[in-house]
Amino acid sequence: QVTLRESGPALVKPTQTLTLTCTFSGFSLSTSEMSVSWVRQPPGKALEWLALIDWDDDKYYNTSLKTRLTISRDTSKNQVVLTMTNMDPADTATYYCARDSEYNSGLYFFDYWGQGTLVTVSS
Amino acid sequence: SYELTQPPSVSVSPGQTARITCSGDALPKQSAHWYQQKAGQAPVLIIYKDTERPSGIPERFSGSSSGTTVTLTISGVRAEDEADYYCQSIDSSPTYVFGAGTKVTVL
Repeated sequence: QVTLRESGPALVKPTQTLTLTCTFSGFSLSTSEMSVSWVRQPPGKALEWLALIDWDDDKYYNTSLKTRLTISRDTSKNQVVLTMTNMDPADTATYYCARDSEYNSGLYFFDYWGQGTLVTVSS
Repeated sequence: SYELTQPPSVSVSPGQTARITCSGDALPKQSAHWYQQKAGQAPVLIIYKDTERPSGIPERFSGSSSGTTVTLTISGVRAEDEADYYCQSIDSSPTYVFGAGTKVTVL
């Protein structure tokens, strides 16, 4: 059974750095064609892809946020970590981690999602 | 940047058919996928590779593709289908792009 669960602070102050952890089970990120992404959704707005890390430890970022994002993994703990610097109230959103199990096959879609974690940016 | 265009809302009576379109210049070359998001919940994959349905997704959900437009069809709409629906594809590999979402209201 595949599960993903996001964890991190519910509230951060402007200019602070946000660190979110995705803990997953039921699959290995070392398996070929596997990847985990972070996706966010501001209240009442659409989904926005942020970053991806794949089975080969390659990393990709949303170009508009690239300078603020870092994605990493701890394969032994089945975790993917996202850091976002210089947080702003406009970054208030629910942050999801999601799996793409056919990454690099040319399809690129998310077959499993975590339940999401709401992060509010406010002083 | 690449955009996928969806109608903001669709209203449908129970038992009728709802169709949601998603347009994008690269869709003839790249597959599109659809997610259902109910209020307060995470998105759920309901269609992948334009027309394929994951296991456990009801047959009333179907997808089709024609040129630069893909369409999600919900046949025999039920009250439980009221949700936001998002299409998704990719720009450059791998930059995932989502449409703005379509709110389906069951009258």
